[in-house]
Amino acid sequence: NAGVTQTPKFQVLKTGQSMTLQCAQDMNHNSMYWYRQDPGMGLRLIYYSASEGTTDKGEVPNGYNVSRLNKREFSLRLESAAPSQTSVYFCASSAAGTSGGYEQFFGPGTRLTVL
Amino acid sequence: GESVGLHLPTLSVQEGDNSIINCAYSNSASDYFIWYKQESGKGPQFIIDIRSNMDKRQGQRVTVLLNKTVKHLSLQIAATQPGDSAVYFCAENNPPRGSTLGRLYFGRGTQLTVWP
Repeated sequence: NAGVTQTPKFQVLKTGQSMTLQCAQDMNHNSMYWYRQDPGMGLRLIYYSASEGTTDKGEVPNGYNVSRLNKREFSLRLESAAPSQTSVYFCASSAAGTSGGYEQFFGPGTRLTVL
Repeated sequence: GESVGLHLPTLSVQEGDNSIINCAYSNSASDYFIWYKQESGKGPQFIIDIRSNMDKRQGQRVTVLLNKTVKHLSLQIAATQPGDSAVYFCAENNPPRGSTLGRLYFGRGTQLTVWP
């Protein structure tokens, strides 16, 4: 049971480049999330997917797009990277209350630097 | 959006002492609260949670207290160890109306440092 996995672990982009961050979970969770974490800040929600086939904006969606490819996978795309998107990105998944709690399980993160 | 804040950004304790990390939340409709521990370079890790119909919940060396009157949450760590050094986040769940979605709002975190 790997839990939540993310690729890549590290990435450096130039301004204007695009990339996709991959996330997969093997816990059969319905809900998946993408967060960003900046120094001295808590986690801020970018996008979430309550269930396969649905996605919704979180607090800071501008500059990002997402795809819920199937129940296991939820990807985050930066179409034209900007220095303000330099951050650590975390993917998480949750059974969303169906198993007694709203606990979210987090991946190890992707450290992205945009030059 | 809703905000979850922490009273102190840093906390230093001696090994073996008890630690108390505080958190204030603003949304009285939040129904679930959770504490995460984040070690350097890692993702957040679940510590303990509590539902809004409870005042206290205990785990292994940890206790969470919820005071809904003043909208305050605390995490108590007994006999703090060097391995407890990390950033601790509280989060509240406030799902969209009519939804059971677990949508968490995180505070900024408290850095706990344990001295030998």
